[in-house]
Amino acid sequence: GAGVSQSPSNKVTEKGKDVELRCDPISGHTALYWYRQRLGQGLEFLIYFQGNSAPDKSGLPSDRFSAERTGESVSTLTIQRTQQEDSAVYLCASLKARGAASVETQYFGPGTRLLVL
Amino acid sequence: KQEVTQIPAALSVPEGENLVLNCSFTDSAIYNLQWFRQDPGKGLTSLLLIQSSQREQTSGRLNASLDKSSGRSTLYIAASQPGDSATYLCAVFKAAGNKLTFGGGTRVLVKP
Repeated sequence: GAGVSQSPSNKVTEKGKDVELRCDPISGHTALYWYRQRLGQGLEFLIYFQGNSAPDKSGLPSDRFSAERTGESVSTLTIQRTQQEDSAVYLCASLKARGAASVETQYFGPGTRLLVL
Repeated sequence: KQEVTQIPAALSVPEGENLVLNCSFTDSAIYNLQWFRQDPGKGLTSLLLIQSSQREQTSGRLNASLDKSSGRSTLYIAASQPGDSATYLCAVFKAAGNKLTFGGGTRVLVKP
């Protein structure tokens, strides 16, 4: 595919249920990021994967949040026992980062809109 | 902790006017600063990326300046068009951590 894809595009769930969000990065991109965007706010960093290195989980808001990525492919973000405050758009981005990451831009997917009732 | 602030939060101008969007950041130890555009229901699109050693970048009607020492960047959009209506986000790439820190965005409406 030409860009980063995410699924589902929209998800409505009941409080207490688990949800799984998927991100397909651009082929060949070694770095992958997850962000959360609450209504009317900027993006909050959640987690960062770079190749086979240990992920940077410093942005995960609680232990209900986890993410996995196998190699340089698909990533899944899982939210357990969802709460209403988890309602947000969850955005994924990928980055080639073969050279210096600072000279490259991140490519964003369209996001998954999560609503927890 | 890096904080990024964007002012104003919202801006409405008639078509043809120039747009000036401001971004400030608290920690000058950055590798780069980026401006993104976000349309409703869509992801972010990168507009301009300014390296920490650069003072400005230009692309078409867009010009972004960077003053690292004062922690400021300004995005200028010349001769605005209704198609420029969107939310504009600035983000800084920190010297450590390989992550972007975003401002809250400026919602722009260009009226025909």
